[in-house]
Amino acid sequence: AQSVSQHNHHVILSEAASLELGCNYSYGGTVNLFWYVQYPGQHLQLLLKYFSGDPLVKGIKGFEAEFIKSKFSFNLRKPSVQWSDTAEYFCAVRAPPILTGGGNKLTFGTGTQLKVEL
Amino acid sequence: NAGVTQTPKFRVLKTGQSMTLLCAQDMNHEYMYWYRQDPGMGLRLIHYSVGEGTTAKGEVPDGYNVSRLKKQNFLLGLESAAPSQTSVYFCASSYLSDGAYGYTFGSGTRLTVV
Repeated sequence: AQSVSQHNHHVILSEAASLELGCNYSYGGTVNLFWYVQYPGQHLQLLLKYFSGDPLVKGIKGFEAEFIKSKFSFNLRKPSVQWSDTAEYFCAVRAPPILTGGGNKLTFGTGTQLKVEL
Repeated sequence: NAGVTQTPKFRVLKTGQSMTLLCAQDMNHEYMYWYRQDPGMGLRLIHYSVGEGTTAKGEVPDGYNVSRLKKQNFLLGLESAAPSQTSVYFCASSYLSDGAYGYTFGSGTRLTVV
């Protein structure tokens, strides 16, 4: 089945530690990839997105992600996390409409809860 | 510019009651979506709409109905609420373009069915 997998469900880091959150998808063909962040009690906000070009994408707040087509991966990274990065992170994939029935639909992973300790 | 507005923000229903969640967007987006968010399951698509007067089923449509009578509004209805529908509901909208646009999300509705 076509899916989006986030293998890390809960991650706890100390401030200044480096972060890498995994995201793998199973769709073939051209995909668009997104990372969203949800701070406690808030709605989802777009961190970064990839649709073509340089596979290393830089987003807001120092986050970046690398698209590796051969591995069907789009991992999120940040060199040095802050306490304010505590949030839930969702990877999402927009597969070709022929696979999804159209509608610009995004399929989300189950999310990774990140807790950054002081 | 309000973006995507959801009402209400919180609601408690008794089993069997009905209610409608309203989503309104002021960005002239063609596409609108209703997702539910449950712990450990991420966001799952309930229904979506690709334009005024159109609706389509998503991944988990059972027990829900939707309507898009006006381009800016997308309503989600629960005809007979069940405890399994306790969740946080998010509405989102996006452009029609085939480009890689992400969604704009509303702030969510926390629904509890007792």
